[in-house]
Amino acid sequence: DVVMTQSPLSLPVTLGQPASISCRSSQSLVHSDGNTYLNWFQQRPGQSPRRLIYKVSNRDSGVPDRFSGSGSGTDFTLKISRVEAEDVGVYYCMQGTHWPPIFTFGPGTKVDIK
Amino acid sequence: EVQLVESGGGLVQPGGSLRLSCAASGFTFSSYSMNWVRQAPGKGLEWVSYISSSSSTIYYADSVKGRFTISRDNAKNSLYLQMNSLRAEDTAVYYCAGWLQLGYWGQGTLVTVSS
Repeated sequence: DVVMTQSPLSLPVTLGQPASISCRSSQSLVHSDGNTYLNWFQQRPGQSPRRLIYKVSNRDSGVPDRFSGSGSGTDFTLKISRVEAEDVGVYYCMQGTHWPPIFTFGPGTKVDIK
Repeated sequence: EVQLVESGGGLVQPGGSLRLSCAASGFTFSSYSMNWVRQAPGKGLEWVSYISSSSSTIYYADSVKGRFTISRDNAKNSLYLQMNSLRAEDTAVYYCAGWLQLGYWGQGTLVTVSS
C-alpha cells in the first residue's frame, strides 16, 4: 500500500506570512491515465474536511487564490502565500491513484497562529 | 447547493450493529461514486469504503472488511453503511463523501462503541 507522509506535523505561523506543507508518497502518484491524483484538504476546528486542491494544483471552487499546490511524482507542496486567521486547522494530503485502498491520507499538519 | 446529510450515529455496545445513512442533494448523485471516511477522536482521516455509481464495484478498508456493508439507493439519493460486530476502535465520526475524489463532504455522524 502507498504510504503518505507530511512535514511538518505542526506549523506555527505568523499572520500575513507564507506557509508551506510538504507531502511525500512511497510510490509515484502518476496514474496510467496520465493524471496525478494528489489532493489537499483543510479541516478547520470543529468542521468537516473541505477539499482545497485536486490533481496537484487545481483549486476547488471558492478556494482563495492564496492557496496553491505543486509537485510531481512523489513530492508535493501546499503553499499559503499569506496566512489569515481563518486558515487555522489541520491540512491533509490524500492520494487517489493507487487502488486498493481507494484513498490514503497523510497524517495531517496542524497549522496555528504564533 | 450541494448537501450531504448523515444520520444514524449513536452509542452502541461492542458487538452491536448500527446503520448509517447519507442523504444527498444538489448534484446528480446517481452519476458519482461515493465513500465513507471516518475520524477517530483526535485522530486523522481514514477511508472506510467505496461504492461506484451503479453499485457494481465496492471496496472496503481491511479494518472493516467482513463487518461493514456499503450500499446506495439512487432513486432515493441515499448512501448507507451497515456496521456489524462493532468494536471500540470503530468509535469515530463517520463522513459521507464523494464527487470526483471527495470533493463533497457531509457534516458527519458520531458513532461511539462502548459498554
